[in-house]
Amino acid sequence: NAGVTQTPKFQVLKTGQSMTLQCAQDMNHNSMYWYRQDPGMGLRLIYYSASEGTTDKGEVPNGYNVSRLNKREFSLRLESAAPSQTSVYFCASSDPSAGGQNIQYFGAGTRLSVL
Amino acid sequence: SQQGEEDPQALSIQEGENATMNCSYKTSINNLQWYRQNSGRGLVHLILIRSNEREKHSGRLRVTLDTSKKSSSLLITASRAADTASYFCATDANDYKLSFGAGTTVTVRA
Repeated sequence: NAGVTQTPKFQVLKTGQSMTLQCAQDMNHNSMYWYRQDPGMGLRLIYYSASEGTTDKGEVPNGYNVSRLNKREFSLRLESAAPSQTSVYFCASSDPSAGGQNIQYFGAGTRLSVL
Repeated sequence: SQQGEEDPQALSIQEGENATMNCSYKTSINNLQWYRQNSGRGLVHLILIRSNEREKHSGRLRVTLDTSKKSSSLLITASRAADTASYFCATDANDYKLSFGAGTTVTVRA
């Protein structure tokens, strides 16, 4: 049981390049999330998908797009990377309908540097 | 903006000592959760306390919640080297989202 799998683990981009971060979960969870983590700032929500077919903006959505491809997969796209997007990105999944508890399960993260 | 704020930002203790960290938040919540993050890894859920609960235990962890003060504390008893990590509180306002604080970094010295 892999849980939440993120690819790639590391990536270096040049300013203006695009890339897609992939996330897949095998826990049959309805909800999926993308966060970024910067030093001293904890996790900030970029986008989330409460259920298959829906996506919503979080706290810091500018410069990102997402796709909920199916129930398992939720991708994050940077169309034109900027140095300010250098960060560690985490994907998470949960099933808030299970007892009303939004306990989230996290992937190992993608470390992205934009030069 | 982030809902939770942890205090202290960093904590260094001797193995066997207790570690206490606090979390304050701003708005009404459904529950409050604590997560641990080991260096270079993702977050792992530790414990959840509902808004109608005041204290909860799980192994060496003790969590309290004071909704009148909008604050929570996490106590790790008899700390071990393996407890070295960052600890985050997260508030759940029952809107599909969690709001995380900036975390407390705990270092347990042998």
